[in-house]
Amino acid sequence: GDSVTQMEGPVTLSEEAFLTINCTYTATGYPSLFWYVQYPGEGLQLLLKATKADDKGSNKGFEATYRKETTSFHLEKGSVQVSDSAVYFCALNSGNTPLVFGKGTRLSVIA
Amino acid sequence: GAGVSQSPSNKVTEKGKDVELRCDPISGHTALYWYRQRLGQGLEFLIYFQGNSAPDKSGLPSDRFSAERTGESVSTLTIQRTQQEDSAVYLCASSLGLGDRVYGYTFGSGTRLTVV
Repeated sequence: GDSVTQMEGPVTLSEEAFLTINCTYTATGYPSLFWYVQYPGEGLQLLLKATKADDKGSNKGFEATYRKETTSFHLEKGSVQVSDSAVYFCALNSGNTPLVFGKGTRLSVIA
Repeated sequence: GAGVSQSPSNKVTEKGKDVELRCDPISGHTALYWYRQRLGQGLEFLIYFQGNSAPDKSGLPSDRFSAERTGESVSTLTIQRTQQEDSAVYLCASSLGLGDRVYGYTFGSGTRLTVV
């Protein structure tokens, strides 16, 4: 079945550091790919998405490119802030099935 | 409504009691999903509804868990004879259609269930 694998956390970075959170997937067909973010004490929020190969999703300085050849959707940000501290979930959706989530990666940014 | 609303936000219950969790999806969203998030863990899919139909209940952890939905509106997740391992945050989400690939899901803030 479909699955998503994310890098294990926690990830701790200093403010203004470069962020990469790796995500790879296994799916039948051509899934849509998503990154969700969960800030402390809150529900999940959609951060960005890509619906086809080579699409780049972007939001709030975060980017991720749908790479079909490597089945990856890595999340990047050039300069993280303390306010980016959260748990990040990679997810996919192929066909009419519920979203499949990765296990989440906790990011802590220190000033 | 403007967002997905879940109630209660927090619930502490004694082991063996029944609990009922409620989810109000966004108006017009035909699909509704329940996930469970144990402390420090990822999201565990429980069940989804397309309208008021739940085609696949295999994600429910045990027969103590059940869910229903009234039309394309409110859903309730019921846990009977709660156990300590049921302690988790229960998240509800809704989407325009099943497997919405354009807009994704909108999540509620969750119900934190603690079984003591």
